[in-house]
Amino acid sequence: GAGVSQSPSNKVTEKGKDVELRCDPISGHTALYWYRQSLGQGLEFLIYFQGNSAPDKSGLPSDRFSAERTGGSVSTLTIQRTQQEDSAVYLCASSLPRGSSGGSTDTQYFGPGTRLTVL
Amino acid sequence: AQTVTQSQPEMSVQEAETVTLSCTYDTSENNYYLFWYKQPPSRQMILVIRQEAYKQQNATENRFSVNFQKAAKSFSLKISDSQLGDTAMYFCAFMRPGAGSYQLTFGKGTKLSVIP
Repeated sequence: GAGVSQSPSNKVTEKGKDVELRCDPISGHTALYWYRQSLGQGLEFLIYFQGNSAPDKSGLPSDRFSAERTGGSVSTLTIQRTQQEDSAVYLCASSLPRGSSGGSTDTQYFGPGTRLTVL
Repeated sequence: AQTVTQSQPEMSVQEAETVTLSCTYDTSENNYYLFWYKQPPSRQMILVIRQEAYKQQNATENRFSVNFQKAAKSFSLKISDSQLGDTAMYFCAFMRPGAGSYQLTFGKGTKLSVIP
């Protein structure tokens, strides 16, 4: 597709359940980022992928959070045993490989986000 | 660690007027990028403008321009001829290239309302 896509758009779940959020980056973008946007904390970095590896997981708030990326494309963010404080909008972004021509390699393009509500 | 501060939680401007959103940041780095993103109610974060710290010339994109003051660590966004579609949250963001993950550090945002 032309832009970053995320699914589902909205997710309501019960406390204690596991959820999976999906991100499909722009074709050719090897870098992929997950951020969380909540009322109290603003926008926070969660994890960065370069290809299929995640060299920076420093933003993941607990071991209930994990993410993977397969085929250098789609990424899934999984939250296990969800808590009410996990309620937020989860944003995904992607960017070009470093050294690419014809555009900025450091500009991140965002998807529309997934709004997660934990009851 | 870098911090980004947006001191104006909310602002309003009359349609066709000019408004300036402020942003300050704290870093000890010399090479970095600064961004302004717009987030309308649809939630989609849209890049408005970017500035490389090594460039002295202020970036411009149509009605949007920045006033980048590196010594003062200030990066304000000026919107000229404001339009109703400019109503959105505006986030200032900092990135330090070569730091490994190139993650963005965001300010808390400024909610801009354009009044007809």
